[in-house]
Amino acid sequence: DSGVTQTPKHLITATGQRVTLRCSPRSGDLSVYWYQQSLDQGLQFLIQYYNGEERAKGNILERFSAQQFPDLHSELNLSSLELGDSALYFCASSFTGTGETQYFGPGTRLLVL
Amino acid sequence: GENVEQHPSTLSVQEGDSAVIKCTYSDSASNYFPWYKQELGKGPQLIIDIRSNVGEKKDQRIAVTLNKTAKHFSLHITETQPEDSAVYFCAASLPLEYGNKLVFGAGTILRVKS
Repeated sequence: DSGVTQTPKHLITATGQRVTLRCSPRSGDLSVYWYQQSLDQGLQFLIQYYNGEERAKGNILERFSAQQFPDLHSELNLSSLELGDSALYFCASSFTGTGETQYFGPGTRLLVL
Repeated sequence: GENVEQHPSTLSVQEGDSAVIKCTYSDSASNYFPWYKQELGKGPQLIIDIRSNVGEKKDQRIAVTLNKTAKHFSLHITETQPEDSAVYFCAASLPLEYGNKLVFGAGTILRVKS
């Protein structure tokens, strides 16, 4: 158990819908990272927040957005969902904002029908 | 941007043998190289990492080596056990001033046969 929690574990929704994934970092960690894992694209970095502010951006679509709240939990919002958005979404956390020593949560499996 | 290539894509070894997974990276500015193990239905688990100012690091049966000149790094697992069976990912990270994001290899499926 990494100490990073993610909810929900599974999510089934329809195309065009909007969903919110939630992540709580390990106690004491200030940085949160979001990743998408799919069979064709592998593990792809989406976005990083450090102490409430966006720190780095990766291959995140404009339909996706995220934020980190004052209590340091983070939410990833996915809108206008398409079939191709079906994937595992992972959150990771670290104490520093340098990208080092990231601990991953168990993931949210999203299925878009 | 950074690109990480990982080989082999699958690796089968007999229990007790060693396993080696190799990765190459493209951006010489990368300075942090972690390895993750992912079991079925779970998130990636950090098993070892190395920074660019170190050539080798060991932790019990696991070791990582880094060759900055050749821009490649390797994971070595000795005395493999069935519980080592999983997907292993290497990654490379640029420093904060260059974008600060982990770029992962495609993964290696390791099967340890007992």
